[in-house]
Amino acid sequence: GQNIDQPTEMTATEGAIVQINCTYQTSGFNGLFWYQQHAGEAPTFLSYNVLDGLEEKGRFSSFLSRSKGYSYLLLKELQMKDSASYLCAVVDSNYQLIWGAGTKLIIKP
Amino acid sequence: SAVISQKPSRDICQRGTSLTIQCQVDSQVTMMFWYRQQPGQSLTLIATANQGSEATYESGFVIDKFPISRPNLTFSTLTVSNMSPEDSSIYLCSANVRVGNEQFFGPGTRLTVL
Repeated sequence: GQNIDQPTEMTATEGAIVQINCTYQTSGFNGLFWYQQHAGEAPTFLSYNVLDGLEEKGRFSSFLSRSKGYSYLLLKELQMKDSASYLCAVVDSNYQLIWGAGTKLIIKP
Repeated sequence: SAVISQKPSRDICQRGTSLTIQCQVDSQVTMMFWYRQQPGQSLTLIATANQGSEATYESGFVIDKFPISRPNLTFSTLTVSNMSPEDSSIYLCSANVRVGNEQFFGPGTRLTVL
């Protein structure tokens, strides 16, 4: 079966750095997305990785290792507004999006 | 990119009734999807809305309960039929411009069934 694993919840301090991990086992791979979802709102796109390596976009970076079936989202200089759920999603061989359960990130002052 | 609107944004319905949710995209898109999301949970794909043909349903979802229309490349509807309190959830429409590309989401419809 297809499986995406990410931690259920993480806590970090304002101004710090946090890394949210995602491991996946899917039938094929055509890219990995990270989405941010604030409570009561729709998910919004953060990043897309299809090749191995690190993609940096401002305070957010996303890393992919296809051989290990592993990705992480790195958030730097955390702000209170970063408190949200972070969803990892993999595009499988049929170009279907397989969603992880999401990681709820709590930022404390 | 694509901007997606949904209506209604929320509704409270009686058991046994049906509700149709509309999804409008501001540009022609390849794929449209309907998701359900319980509070604090991740997204569950209900079906892929196919333009000009029947929707493709995921395991556990059937056309009689969740009929879907997609008359053109910018619009789709999802009907939640014969509702029960277990159908209370947030229903999200999404779309992508090209297969495999990022999905854009509508703001969601919060449904409460009494």
